[in-house]
Amino acid sequence: GDSVTQMEGPVTLSEEAFLTINCTYTATGYPSLFWYVQYPGEGLQLLLKATKADDKGSNKGFEATYRKETTSFHLEKGSVQVSDSAVYFCALSDLESGGSYIPTFGRGTSLIVHP
Amino acid sequence: DGGITQSPKYLFRKEGQNVTLSCEQNLNHDAMYWYRQDPGQGLRLIYYSQIVNDFQKGDIAEGYSVSREKKESFPLTVTSAQKNPTAFYLCASRRTISNQPQHFGDGTRLSIL
Repeated sequence: GDSVTQMEGPVTLSEEAFLTINCTYTATGYPSLFWYVQYPGEGLQLLLKATKADDKGSNKGFEATYRKETTSFHLEKGSVQVSDSAVYFCALSDLESGGSYIPTFGRGTSLIVHP
Repeated sequence: DGGITQSPKYLFRKEGQNVTLSCEQNLNHDAMYWYRQDPGQGLRLIYYSQIVNDFQKGDIAEGYSVSREKKESFPLTVTSAQKNPTAFYLCASRRTISNQPQHFGDGTRLSIL
């Protein structure tokens, strides 16, 4: 079945540092890929998405490129802020044999940014 | 604004009790989902529904039940058969046209007294 693997956290950075959170996937079909962010005590919010190979999703300074050849969708940001401290989830959504789209999530990576 | 509302935010259950978590959406989405979130384990799918009056089991359905009588509502009942119900429960919805992202509620934290 489909799966998503994220780097384990926590990732601890100083403000203005460069961020990379690795995400790789396995899928039988041609999935769409997503990054979600979860702040403490809240639900998940969509951060960015990409629907086909070489697409780049971007939002709020975060970027990720759909790499089919390496089955990866790494999240990057050039300069993190304290307010970026949260848990980040990589996810894919693929068409199942029954005709439904069932999302698959990674385990999440906690990011802690210090002033 | 459209969105998903989960209630209550905090819920306490005594041993042997069933409790029901509410999830309502006004996004006109066809598909709705329930997830359980435990520390360090990400999201695990409990049940999902693609259309009114139909739903399917996810990966960890044992000890849970759902109904989908209205498009807007997808309540989750945690039964006494669920032996370890303490967790953060998230409800989500999405459009079923193509491969759209999910929209999430703010969750319900269930604890055992």
